[in-house]
Amino acid sequence: EIVLTQSPGTLSLTPGERATLSCRASQSVNSGYLAWYQQKPGQAPRLLIYAASRRATGTPDRFSGSVSGTDFTLTISRLEPEDFAVYHCQQYGDSRLSFGGGTKVEIK
Amino acid sequence: QVHLVQSGSELKNPGASVKVSCKASGYTLSNYAINWVRQAPGQGLEWMGWIDTNTGNPTYAQGFTGRFVFSLDTSVDTSYLQISGLQTDDTAVYYCARATGGGYFDLWGRGTLVTVSS
Repeated sequence: EIVLTQSPGTLSLTPGERATLSCRASQSVNSGYLAWYQQKPGQAPRLLIYAASRRATGTPDRFSGSVSGTDFTLTISRLEPEDFAVYHCQQYGDSRLSFGGGTKVEIK
Repeated sequence: QVHLVQSGSELKNPGASVKVSCKASGYTLSNYAINWVRQAPGQGLEWMGWIDTNTGNPTYAQGFTGRFVFSLDTSVDTSYLQISGLQTDDTAVYYCARATGGGYFDLWGRGTLVTVSS
């Protein structure tokens, strides 16, 4: 099973700042098959990014995804108040799907 | 509009069983696989497995074999998660999610809170 390690656990930032979230895979993820989800309290996760860098329908362009080897990054270029949430990465390159532990982006 | 509509919260005693439903609305269930994801209180997401909505064949993730059963009723576009022998650490929100593009989840149910307590 591919283990995904997200860092940091919590990111404390102010609106307007840039957020950089990391998701490191324990082994290569086939075809870069990694997705990012946003989850707000009391809500289901919402798909933001798939295939490492493709924005899902409705995802604002301030969200971007990238990959270098086994290191995946979600960048929020300028944080809006509605972006403070928990972000999860998920790989689907292996038949045994897996999620990372999540990164909470909180208001500083 | 497309939705996955899940059944409501459940409070169960240890040792009991629970059946959570997930109804596809606005699309035909058999067109996409359904996955199940668990989220314990204050914790991350945990993939439980998936069911092929064409064949009904389930696949369970490690740690979710034996007491967990995925099933379907395609006549009502509904998938089910049944958990038997409930334990207190089964207390969690259970989500169903539609898989597309090889395995990412583009549509989620709102979740069903299952609380196991005596």
